[in-house]
Amino acid sequence: LAKTTQPISMDSYEGQEVNITCSHNNIATNDYITWYQQFPSQGPRFIIQGYKTKVTNEVASLFIPADRKSSTLSLPRVSLSDTAVYYCLVGVADKLIFGTGTRLQVFP
Amino acid sequence: TAGITQAPTSQILAAGRSMTLRCTQDMRHNAMYWYRQDLGLGLRLIHYSNTAGTTGKGEVPDGYSVSRANTDDFPLTLASAVPSQTSVYFCASSAAGGRGSPLHFGNGTRLTVT
Repeated sequence: LAKTTQPISMDSYEGQEVNITCSHNNIATNDYITWYQQFPSQGPRFIIQGYKTKVTNEVASLFIPADRKSSTLSLPRVSLSDTAVYYCLVGVADKLIFGTGTRLQVFP
Repeated sequence: TAGITQAPTSQILAAGRSMTLRCTQDMRHNAMYWYRQDLGLGLRLIHYSNTAGTTGKGEVPDGYSVSRANTDDFPLTLASAVPSQTSVYFCASSAAGGRGSPLHFGNGTRLTVT
């Protein structure tokens, strides 16, 4: 099974931009890359999804290089409420495998 | 809209006993999944079902079984619980087998096997 790798943790301050990178060397041709956010005692929540290049929505941007072996989630101007664990998900042969997750801590 | 409903919310279970974790969705999604989440290990896929009547094994299927008799329900059964199955279990669904379709998660079942 393909493996995804993310930094274990990151720290930031309110108002800063945060970039979290996920490596997925064995991504399949038809797979999408999806990012989720998880707060304590809750299930993960969808943030953004992309296939290639750049995708932007109201909460984040997703950058995917041409080889698609990595992706970067960008959170503009984070706030305290963005403190959470962020997961990168890449579809592999109908089995969706999560990355290890990145714990983002936002400080005042 | 309820989305994904999991029951029970939490449970303490004696080792060797059996238990079924329930999961129901009201979105008519084709695919459903069971994950377990342990501290430091993130989410790991146990079993999945791409459509009613079919199931498949994920990363950590041993000790668990599932069935998918209809679109809405995807129960997870522990036939003989062991302490290593202490975890938080999340059920999820997606419209079209995952690729290109975001997952929708329930709020989890916290299981402690003693």
